[in-house]
Amino acid sequence: GAVVSQHPSWVICKSGTSVKIECRSLDFQATTMFWYRQFPKQSLMLMATSNEGSKATYEQGVEKDKFLINHASLTLSTLTVTSAHPEDSSFYICSARDQTGRQYFGPGTRLTVT
Amino acid sequence: QQQVKQSPQSLIVQKGGISIINCAYENTAFDYFPWYQQFPGKGPALLIAIRPDVSEKKEGRFTISFNKSAKQFSLHIMDSQPGDSATYFCAARSAAGGGNKLTFGTGTQLKVEL
Repeated sequence: GAVVSQHPSWVICKSGTSVKIECRSLDFQATTMFWYRQFPKQSLMLMATSNEGSKATYEQGVEKDKFLINHASLTLSTLTVTSAHPEDSSFYICSARDQTGRQYFGPGTRLTVT
Repeated sequence: QQQVKQSPQSLIVQKGGISIINCAYENTAFDYFPWYQQFPGKGPALLIAIRPDVSEKKEGRFTISFNKSAKQFSLHIMDSQPGDSATYFCAARSAAGGGNKLTFGTGTQLKVEL
């Protein structure tokens, strides 16, 4: 099946620094990628939708200046958490949709801000 | 309107038994209903999905039952195994108006005991 990778899988950073998370579709082209946030034992909350070559669409309540999303190619999207704070600590999951409409999820990135 | 309600929150089943998870939705524009399985520290993986033009879909031990008039759908796991212990999310998506975004249920933690 289709594979979506994320890097890094786990990152610890200090408060005030920025962290970049990469999401790649390895064996298909994804015109649309999604970024989710998941707190322990909770559901996935959509943060933003990104289409290749255009600006991301953010969900209500998500700060676009804090969570920068770039979708530069059909196989790569990045999420940068700027000036991270402890409350940004969470599990971030990307997802890529193929041309048939099926959506595949990455393995997630655990972010801990100290 | 966009919510997907999922129950139960947690479920314990004996090995070999049937696990049943239910979801209900309000938005009649939803036209795609996937189920995802998520293990701790991993991203969700697509298990099985159904469209509203069929009432049932079976793949191996996993079956989706869909009741369009009641706006409900359920996941049945036959012959449940300890390896099925995970969190299961139902979801729904609308091609129109919803921006083709998945709306997730709140999740069900399944534990299959020996």
